[in-house]
Formats: sequence, C-alpha cells, structure tokens
Amino acid sequence: KQEVTQIPAALSVPEGENLVLNCSFTDSAIYNLQWFRQDPGKGLTSLLLIQSSQREQTSGRLNASLDKSSGRSTLYIAASQPGDSATYLCAGAQSYNTDKLIFGTGTRLQVFP
Amino acid sequence: NAGVTQTPKFRILKIGQSMTLQCAQDMNHNYMYWYRQDPGMGLKLIYYSVGAGITDKGEVPNGYNVSRSTTEDFPLRLELAAPSQTSVYFCASSLGLGRAEDTQYFGPGTRLTVL
Repeated sequence: KQEVTQIPAALSVPEGENLVLNCSFTDSAIYNLQWFRQDPGKGLTSLLLIQSSQREQTSGRLNASLDKSSGRSTLYIAASQPGDSATYLCAGAQSYNTDKLIFGTGTRLQVFP
Repeated sequence: NAGVTQTPKFRILKIGQSMTLQCAQDMNHNYMYWYRQDPGMGLKLIYYSVGAGITDKGEVPNGYNVSRSTTEDFPLRLELAAPSQTSVYFCASSLGLGRAEDTQYFGPGTRLTVL
C-alpha cells in the first residue's frame, strides 16, 4: 500500500530564503507526482505535476524533482515571499485509468517579512 | 467556466441526521472524486467515479454513499451522521483520458460538523 510522507510538518522562514520541502513515497510504481498548494479555508491548487518519465518540472520560482528509485520528491521555492505562506501537499497517482491520488499530510509554510 | 462547485460551504448536523453534499463541474471531466480532510492531515479518498453510472470505493467509504447519474454532478450522501464524520469535504474532477499529465481540479470544500 502506497504511503506518502512529508517533512517537515511545519516551517517558518524569513522572506527571501530559498527552501526545500520533502516528500517520500513507499511504492515507486507511481504514474505521476503532484504538488498542491492549500490556503486556509480554501481548496487545493495544482502547482506542479511530474510525470513518471520526467525528473523535474519548473514554474516561476518553483522547481519540483522526482527520484523514483529513492522514493523521493522535493519542492524547491526560491526567494520566498510572504505570499508563499500556505500548506503544501504532495500526492502520488498510481493508476492511469482512475487518476486516484494518495496524499501526504502536508507542510505548513510561513514566510515572515 | 465555474470549475468545480460545492454546496453548502458549511453545515452543522446532529448525530443521526442525513444530508447530501452537492458537487458539480462544468469542464466535461470524466473522473470525479470525494475526499475528506481531517485537521492537520492530508486528504483521504472516500469514493470516486470514472463516468456516469460508474462509482467505486476509495480508502474510507464507510458511512457514505454516492451516485453519478450525469457527467456534471457527483453528490455525496451521509445517511446517519456520526461525530467521526466531522471534517472538511472536497470534491475534485479530472479529464480522465489516461494521460500522465492530467491533474485534478478541486472545489472550495464543505466544512461539516456533527454534534
């Protein structure tokens, strides 16, 4: 059974820092690995999706990598801003015919001015 | 497009009451999902559907029922509410074309409290 773990559970950093969020999964047979952002009281917004054949994806200040052999994904946020404060969730998809996702418990990020 | 919409936004139920959480999408997506998120936790899949008339259980289906009579709508039914069902419920949808690049789109959630 796939299990997804995120470390750290919470992170507080000053504005401008570069930071890394970690995601580990137990079953390497994932179809894709996605990173979502969740603002308080809101739904989830997809940030980056890495297909199993890819090693990384970039969008603006965000870069996500995937290493299936080690069961790890990282989300790198460059030059963090207070607007980046949110909970970040990673999720693995294991079946192309259902798109079902297994979620980690999230990392709650606070960026202070 | 409105995307994925959910109603109501908030609800308080008494133990034993029943209710239906509504979910609709206007993106012509084939796949739809219901998740619950408990405080400080990730999302757990309750039920999902790969098309009208087709539904299947997820990780935590007990105490819930679903139906999907149209492509657009995917209601979630709680028959006998229990305090353990206090949670935030999210509906999501995806294209469902079997492509690795397809992501899920989420609704804003329904916050349910059972007292």
